[in-house]
Amino acid sequence: EAQVTQNPRYLITVTGKKLTVTCSQNMNHEYMSWYRQDPGLGLRQIYYSMNVEVTDKGDVPEGYKVSRKEKRNFPLILESPSPNQTSLYFCASTQTPGFGANVLTFGAGSRLTVL
Amino acid sequence: GQNIDQPTEMTATEGAIVQINCTYQTSGFNGLFWYQQHAGEAPTFLSYNVLDGLEEKGRFSSFLSRSKGYSYLLLKELQMKDSASYLCAVRDSDTGRRALTFGSGTRLQVQP
Repeated sequence: EAQVTQNPRYLITVTGKKLTVTCSQNMNHEYMSWYRQDPGLGLRQIYYSMNVEVTDKGDVPEGYKVSRKEKRNFPLILESPSPNQTSLYFCASTQTPGFGANVLTFGAGSRLTVL
Repeated sequence: GQNIDQPTEMTATEGAIVQINCTYQTSGFNGLFWYQQHAGEAPTFLSYNVLDGLEEKGRFSSFLSRSKGYSYLLLKELQMKDSASYLCAVRDSDTGRRALTFGSGTRLQVQP
């Protein structure tokens, strides 16, 4: 089954404790992206990657890091989480984002709480 | 940059028709998408418009007017399972690498 898999789905952590949210897709998509979703603010892009070793900032990159060492994986790293990073996070992928009806496929989401 | 506006909440009755509007401002329009998102779940694709006019897909239709920066999603024969948030998203040719910019979403509640 074609899918985007995120882990963990739920996480409660404390301020300053480094964490990684993994994202993996099995569709051989070139493009991957991370979004956070907060009430009233909608989905906001954190980082995206056009291909292996190619990453770029989205709208809200502060406090996050990403890497794209393999095509299928795009982990999101919070080096020193803070309470304002409490949010619902989605990983998404597509083949060619800039053309046609190329649809973003989303993971199931990771709900993160930082105390 | 982009600015996308849609109503925050709407309520409709089962069996009725509802229209969810979306207005946008963008420097280089290259497509508009509608996604459905049930509470706590991932968004799922509903429709795509890049040319003016109406795209119909079963009970759902989406309309686009590029000159007005306006789109709507039309849901017919509403069912209780249509209670969800509906996200309008715009692709900008200048920032196409970033895929989509999303509006804040319209939460639709379908009542019996």
